[in-house]
Amino acid sequence: DIQMTQSPSSLSASVGDRVTITCRASQSISSYLNWYQQKPGKAPNLLIYAASSLQSGVPSRFSGSGSGTDFTLTISSLQPEDFATYYCQQSYSTPYTFGQGTRLEIK
Amino acid sequence: EVQLVESGGGLVQPGGSLRLSCAASGFTVSSNYMSWVRQAPGKGLEWVSFIYSGGSTYYADSVKGRFTISRDNSKNTLYLQMNSLRGEDTAVYYCARDRVPAAGPNYMDVWGKGTTVTVSS
Repeated sequence: DIQMTQSPSSLSASVGDRVTITCRASQSISSYLNWYQQKPGKAPNLLIYAASSLQSGVPSRFSGSGSGTDFTLTISSLQPEDFATYYCQQSYSTPYTFGQGTRLEIK
Repeated sequence: EVQLVESGGGLVQPGGSLRLSCAASGFTVSSNYMSWVRQAPGKGLEWVSFIYSGGSTYYADSVKGRFTISRDNSKNTLYLQMNSLRGEDTAVYYCARDRVPAAGPNYMDVWGKGTTVTVSS
């Protein structure tokens, strides 16, 4: 199975900050990497697919990059509604594993 | 409106069975790949199973042989039959549409709100 490792596991930041979350795959997954946002008690919401494509309706302050084994999710200017948990997920091969999550908290 | 609504969760004893349903609206289940993902209390997301539009199915090792994914095209509904349930199956279960573009990676673009399964005596 492909292991997905996110860093950091948690992060404190302020409104307006630029934030980067990293996801590393245990083997090359090309660009088969998706990012999801989840708020407490809610279902996950797709932000980025295919490593860098912005899902329709998602604000442009979210961006993704990377290929192979190393990927990043960047939020250019944090807004109050962005405080949530973020997950990466590989869809290169089954089982479609997720990272352990990065909890983004208000400083 | 594109929507998924799960149902069928509840409290079940270890070794018991439960069938989850996921009713779709705004799109056709049989024309899409569909997935089940679960989240244990306080934990991260775990992919459980998916079904191809052609009918092929795949499972996580943790549920293989115990869970069965299926669909009813006439009801536009996805199912997850869960047998031999264990305490570690306790989780919120989400169904999701797995979007498969003509080229490139698939991704889960529509999610239900989830249904809670608790396995306990």
